[in-house]
Amino acid sequence: EAQVTQNPRYLITVTGKKLTVTCSQNMNHEYMSWYRQDPGLGLRQIYYSMNVEVTDKGDVPEGYKVSRKEKRNFPLILESPSPNQTSLYFCATTGGPYMGQFFGPGTRLTVL
Amino acid sequence: GDSVTQMEGPVTLSEEAFLTINCTYTATGYPSLFWYVQYPGEGLQLLLKATKADDKGSNKGFEATYRKETTSFHLEKGSVQVSDSAVYFCALSKSQGGSEKLVFGKGTKLTVNP
Repeated sequence: EAQVTQNPRYLITVTGKKLTVTCSQNMNHEYMSWYRQDPGLGLRQIYYSMNVEVTDKGDVPEGYKVSRKEKRNFPLILESPSPNQTSLYFCATTGGPYMGQFFGPGTRLTVL
Repeated sequence: GDSVTQMEGPVTLSEEAFLTINCTYTATGYPSLFWYVQYPGEGLQLLLKATKADDKGSNKGFEATYRKETTSFHLEKGSVQVSDSAVYFCALSKSQGGSEKLVFGKGTKLTVNP
C-alpha cells in the first residue's frame, strides 16, 4: 500500500529545543515536500526536494532545515523552535508534475 | 504571482442537497488544477484533477471542469452525504524550474447534516 508516514503525530515542546519530524514514503518517488497548515492561511510550502541531496526553499523556509540523504526519507528539522512555528505540518510526495500529491497524516506541533 | 481563490466557508447543507464550491485561479502558462479533501484529523487526499482546458475531473460523485475562459474549476456534487463533511482545497500546479510549484486555496469547510 502506498504510504507516507510521519513521526511524531503530536509534539509539544518548548522554545529553543531542537526537534526533528521524520517523513518516509514507500512509493520510490523523487519529489518530496513539506507544508505547514495554519487557520485562514491554507497550506504553505516550506521546503521541497527533487531528488537525493537536492533541496530548495519553498514559500516559508525561515526557521526550518531539511535533508535528503535517501530517496525515501525527508526529515524536517527545527533547530530552535519558536511559538510562531506552532502549526500542523504535512509531508507530501508525488510521482511527477500534474500527478497530484500524496500527503502524510500530519504532525501537530505546539511550541510553548 | 500565481494564486487560487475559493469561496469562504463554512458551507452547511442538508443530506442530498446539491453542492457547489467555487474556485478561481490566476496563473501564467498552463497549470493543472486539483481538488483535495481533508477529513477531520487526517492529511489531504487527492479528490480529482484536470490537466488542460475543458477537461473534467470526477471521483466519488464529485466533478469539476477546467474552464480556461473563466479561469475557474468549481467543485460540484449532485447529492451530498454526511460522510462528505470535510475541508476542500482547490489547488493549481505548474512546472517551474524543473520542479512542481503547487499553490493552494485557503480551504472551504463543508458540513452535511442528516
